[in-house]
Amino acid sequence: GENVEQHPSTLSVQEGDSAVIKCTYSDSASNYFPWYKQELGKRPQLIIDIRSNVGEKKDQRIAVTLNKTAKHFSLHITETQPEDSAVYFCAASIKHDMRFGAGTRLTVKP
Amino acid sequence: DVKVTQSSRYLVKRTGEKVFLECVQDMDHENMFWYRQDPGLGLRLIYFSYDVKMKEKGDIPEGYSVSREKKERFSLILESASTNQTSMYLCASSTDSGGYTFGSGTRLTVV
Repeated sequence: GENVEQHPSTLSVQEGDSAVIKCTYSDSASNYFPWYKQELGKRPQLIIDIRSNVGEKKDQRIAVTLNKTAKHFSLHITETQPEDSAVYFCAASIKHDMRFGAGTRLTVKP
Repeated sequence: DVKVTQSSRYLVKRTGEKVFLECVQDMDHENMFWYRQDPGLGLRLIYFSYDVKMKEKGDIPEGYSVSREKKERFSLILESASTNQTSMYLCASSTDSGGYTFGSGTRLTVV
């Protein structure tokens, strides 16, 4: 089955700096790559996703890039704010089932 | 908004008990999933279902079973609870083309 690895496990940045989280996946048939944000005590929420026919997608301060050849994808957050502090999960999916990375705890220091 | 409702937010059960975790979604999604979430391990797939009465094993199905008798409801069953099943359990649903919507989670403690 699919195996997703995520790095780093923890990330601390100063407010206003950029944050980058990277993931790799093993199954070249994966075609859907969402990112989830989980604030403390809350459910994971979808923040952005990308499909395998697209190389990059941007939504305000958040962007995701996908390199299918290398089987890796990344989340980029620019101009970070304290409310961006959370655990972020990447995932890779083939149709029905999805596999998640282990998560990155992002801390944005004011 | 899609709502995925898990029946209990916190549960405490004894070793050896049979435990039922219930999940209901209200948007007619075909697919439903059960994950457990543990620190440093992310979300691990236990079972999923892509249709009524259909079920597929995920990565860690041992010690669990599921039931999907109706499209909106997906139940996770711990046949004989053990302390290593203490965890946060998350239910999710999706269509074939979209991302997941998660429930609020059930924190299960087995003593």
